[in-house]
Amino acid sequence: EVRLVQSGAEVKKPGESLRISCEASGYSFNTYWIGWVRQMPGKGLEWMGIIYPGDSDTRYSPSFQGQVTISADTSSTTAYLQWSSLKVSDTAMYYCARHEEGSGSNYMDVWGKGTTVTVSS
Amino acid sequence: QSALTQPASVSGSPGQAITISCTGTSSDVGGYKYVSWYQQHPGKAPKLMIYDVSNRPSGVSYRFSASKSGNTASLTISGLQAEDEADYYCSSYTSSSSYVFGTGTKVTVV
Repeated sequence: EVRLVQSGAEVKKPGESLRISCEASGYSFNTYWIGWVRQMPGKGLEWMGIIYPGDSDTRYSPSFQGQVTISADTSSTTAYLQWSSLKVSDTAMYYCARHEEGSGSNYMDVWGKGTTVTVSS
Repeated sequence: QSALTQPASVSGSPGQAITISCTGTSSDVGGYKYVSWYQQHPGKAPKLMIYDVSNRPSGVSYRFSASKSGNTASLTISGLQAEDEADYYCSSYTSSSSYVFGTGTKVTVV
C-alpha cells in the first residue's frame, strides 16, 4: 500500500525555524516527484513546489520561491518542508502529495493526512 | 500564477446531476491535457477523483466524469448522493512547469 505519513502538529513563534516531514512507503521513492500543498484556515489549496528525490531536482511556485525549502532524504524515504523564519501568515495545514509526472500524465495521486502549523506570538 | 476560476458553490438534489466549471488560460487548462479534480471532505485530505482531463482512478465512482473544452474544464457528478457533499478543486499543469489549483467549489446536496 502506498502511504505518506506526515509529522505531527506544530506550534511555533514568529521568527522561529521549522521543518516538517512526510515519510513515504509502498513505492519507489526515488522515481516519483513529491511535493507540498498549503491550505490556510478556511481557504483553498495552493501548490507550493515539488522535488524529485532521485536527483533532488526541485521546482517551486513563484509564490513560495525563497519562502520555503523543499528537500528529500532517500535513505529514509522522507520529504521535508522547511522554514528559516516563520511568519504568522504561515499558519496553515500543509499536505504532502505524490506527483505522477511524465509518461503522459501529471497529477497528485496520493496524499498525506496533513500537518497543522500554527504560528503565534 | 493566478488560481483557476471555479464557482463558489453548486447545489443539487439527490439523484440529480451537477456540473462544476474550471476556467483557466492557454498557459494552463487550455494548453495541456493535465487537468485533475480533487474531492475534499471537511477536516480530511484531498482525494484524487479525475486525472488527465477525464480519467477516473480505480475505486472512484462512475458517477464522476469530466471533460475539457478550450480553457475550461468541467466535472460532472451524476446521481448526486449525500456522500458527494464536499469541496471540489480542479488543478492544472502550467507552462511554468508548476501546478495551479482552482478556487474551489462547495457542493451541497439539498
